[in-house]
Parts: sequence; structure tokens; C-alpha cells
Amino acid sequence: DQQVKQNSPSLSVQEGRISILNCDYTNSMFDYFLWYKKYPAEGPTFLISISSIKDKNEDGRFTVFLNKSAKHLSLHIVPSQPGDSAVYFCAAISGGYQKVTFGTGTKLQVIP
Amino acid sequence: ETGVTQSPTHLIKTRGQQVTLRCSSQSGHNTVSWYQQALGQGPQFIFQYYREEENGRGNFPPRFSGLQFPNYSSELNVNALELDDSALYLCASSSLAGDYNEQFFGPGTRLTVL
Repeated sequence: DQQVKQNSPSLSVQEGRISILNCDYTNSMFDYFLWYKKYPAEGPTFLISISSIKDKNEDGRFTVFLNKSAKHLSLHIVPSQPGDSAVYFCAAISGGYQKVTFGTGTKLQVIP
Repeated sequence: ETGVTQSPTHLIKTRGQQVTLRCSSQSGHNTVSWYQQALGQGPQFIFQYYREEENGRGNFPPRFSGLQFPNYSSELNVNALELDDSALYLCASSSLAGDYNEQFFGPGTRLTVL
């Protein structure tokens, strides 16, 4: 039962353009949503989060949008840079011990 | 400030054997979570330890067990290894307080079961 889904396994974007990564979830009990970035041979690195009571959170070039009625969130990266090339995981948290449920990841390639 | 470290980096075992993976949490963190990441998948939550007690568990059989020590470092033990246990094992440390606390991940241990 995949509660967090990332339907696009990969995405290619030109440097300077916008990257949009999408994520859908099924569990309405999720409290927080997060995006992690993962480079090869490294652990995931936290990028940005959003509480279920908000619909947008912005941090520099990164913005996360949450549509609760559609159970959908997206990560926008503007402008995209070659260093952004990595696997991006959408994740969600529910429960007191903050179990993190990850999606399957989207591999972003930013082409110079 | 020392980040999360894991050992060993790589490990090869045969089916039926037992394995112990180790994790040192980031300074000041009292919580460690373990995840299994199979090839092409996202990390899956195994369990979490808070102040030396198991604080939550995912959908993994009892042959996956863990320990947390007084210095908050942790071990993941897997008994009776199966081929499907081949994966990247990640640990993450955090300081459990409030509604949400960022988890800091180590680089992982790559386990291959032959």
C-alpha cells in the first residue's frame, strides 16, 4: 500500500527554467509533508517542509505547495541549477513518533 | 558538530546469516530511526528508538531488531537473512520534541545478501 506516490520517475529541465516535482498521497492523517534531496552515496538531505494547515511554504528557490482537497503536493525549483540534479523524495509524517513515509523518488536532471 | 555516521559502508552476507549495522547519531539528538531502501524505492521505516526504547515500528518482521545505547548510538540487527533484505539501510537521528523535528540521515550501509 503506497501511501505516498511520485508518479514521475525522472524529469529533465534546462538550467534556469522551473522544475516542478509532483507527489500524491492517500492518508488524510498526515500532519507534515517534506521534500528530501539525495545524491548518490549520501543519505537524504532535508530540503523543505510544509504543515498540513498551510498551502504554501517558500525557502529561497524552493517552494512547496499543498492541496489538501486533492491530496497533492508539489515542489517548485526556480531557477533550476545543475547542482539541483539529484533524486527528490516526497515524504509525509503522521503519528506521535513521527514515522516518515517516503515516496519512490523522482530523479531530476538539470541540463546546463 | 559531528553528523550521523554509519558502519560499515558495505557488507556482503549469505542467506541465513545474521548482521549488525551501527549508527552514531548527531550530537544532541536522542532519537534514531532506521529505514530500508530497496533498489528503485523510497526508504521504508523499520523502527525508531527514543531514549533506549523502541518508540514505533513499521511493517517489518521480528527478525529485524534494534538497540539504542545511553550515548544514543544505535544498532540494527537482522537475523536469518533473506535475499530480499539486500538494500541500503539508512539511519536518521533527531531530537524528538514538538510537532515535527528534522531527521538527519547518515550515508547508509549497503547490504548484499547472496
